[in-house]
Amino acid sequence: KAGVTQTPRYLIKTRGQQVTLSCSPISGHRSVSWYQQTPGQGLQFLFEYFSETQRNKGNFPGRFSGRQFSNSRSEMNVSTLELGDSALYLCASSLARQSNTEAFFGQGTRLTVV
Amino acid sequence: GDSVTQMEGPVTLSEEAFLTINCTYTATGYPSLFWYVQYPGEGLQLLLKATKADDKGSNKGFEATYRKETTSFHLEKGSVQVSDSAVYFCALSDQGNTPLVFGKGTRLSVIA
Repeated sequence: KAGVTQTPRYLIKTRGQQVTLSCSPISGHRSVSWYQQTPGQGLQFLFEYFSETQRNKGNFPGRFSGRQFSNSRSEMNVSTLELGDSALYLCASSLARQSNTEAFFGQGTRLTVV
Repeated sequence: GDSVTQMEGPVTLSEEAFLTINCTYTATGYPSLFWYVQYPGEGLQLLLKATKADDKGSNKGFEATYRKETTSFHLEKGSVQVSDSAVYFCALSDQGNTPLVFGKGTRLSVIA
């Protein structure tokens, strides 16, 4: 079956702009999580959605937001981009919200802010 | 809060050498433990997991044992291959539907 699909794969934006990233989870998966990966900070949790509701949120400013649609697809939005937002943004989907459940990751969206 | 500490890289090994990547954790509950691998230009893939104390996860020749007494989950492989070159992440997920907490990652390079 198809894996987690993230679009676009690469983005270049200018400071101050906003960006929307998309994630299509594996069919049947209702939990979608987003992570930011940078060389300095590693993998940091942004937020998790389950059944269209945000269930968990990481320690990121309000410029970072997300949503989930009824078909479980998710988007995240970053407004007023800063240079420090340059990162690989990874989406992960899982079947359930249990701690022992495997998360399946997409290939990520590489965002560069100039 | 929960945290994962793994050995700093990069690690460079010759083909067929023995691999150990250390991982220790701090958690308030009884977490599930994971090793994920990231190949160049790719997302993360689950390598193995263990959900309770003394469980051993294994996959593709890699093994890790959940040691509650030492709060560790060290990754081992008896004979590495060039194709094992990647970044390896140790992670935990505590009880109560908490998100994955990752270590900083260890880059492994295997040379022929």
